[in-house]
Amino acid sequence: DAKTTQPNSMESNEEEPVHLPCNHSTISGTDYIHWYRQLPSQGPEYVIHGLTSNVNNRMASLAIAEDRKSSTLILHRATLRDAAVYYCILRDEYNAGNMLTFGGGTRLMVKP
Amino acid sequence: NAGVTQTPKFQVLKTGQSMTLQCAQDMNHNSMYWYRQDPGMGLRLIYYSASEGTTDKGEVPNGYNVSRLNKREFSLRLESAAPSQTSVYFCASSEGQGTGYGYTFGSGTRLTVV
Repeated sequence: DAKTTQPNSMESNEEEPVHLPCNHSTISGTDYIHWYRQLPSQGPEYVIHGLTSNVNNRMASLAIAEDRKSSTLILHRATLRDAAVYYCILRDEYNAGNMLTFGGGTRLMVKP
Repeated sequence: NAGVTQTPKFQVLKTGQSMTLQCAQDMNHNSMYWYRQDPGMGLRLIYYSASEGTTDKGEVPNGYNVSRLNKREFSLRLESAAPSQTSVYFCASSEGQGTGYGYTFGSGTRLTVV
């Protein structure tokens, strides 16, 4: 299975943009890039996903490199509530057993 | 609010005791999942149910059994609890199995086996 590599932790200041990187150099053509986050003492929540084109929703933006070997989750204005562990996950469209597989993620700390 | 409900939220068991973790979703989702999360780790899949009437093993199924009672409910049973099963257990659901479907997670059950 294709793997992802994320920094263990990052810091940001409140109300500033945050760019969370993810490397996935062995990504296959049918792998979608998914992002989830887990707030303290809560279950993970879906953030965004994409295949090739950049994606935007009310929570974040996803920028995907042209060669798809890396992607960046962008939080446009970090708030204290955005402090969480962010998981970058690859899911194969054509793998019938493709469950959501979590790695270590990036712990984002937001300073007031 | 619509979502995934897990009960109980906390539980302490003695080694060898049994218990069932309950999970229910009200989003009419077809697929349901059980994960465990050990301290400082990512989530690992225990069992899943792609649709009502089917269940399959995930990455770490040993020591667990599941029942998809109906479309709404998916329970996880520990027949003889062991300290290694001390963990936070999350139930999740999704509309389907494809990559376009996001997962909705419950708030978790914190289980301690002494």
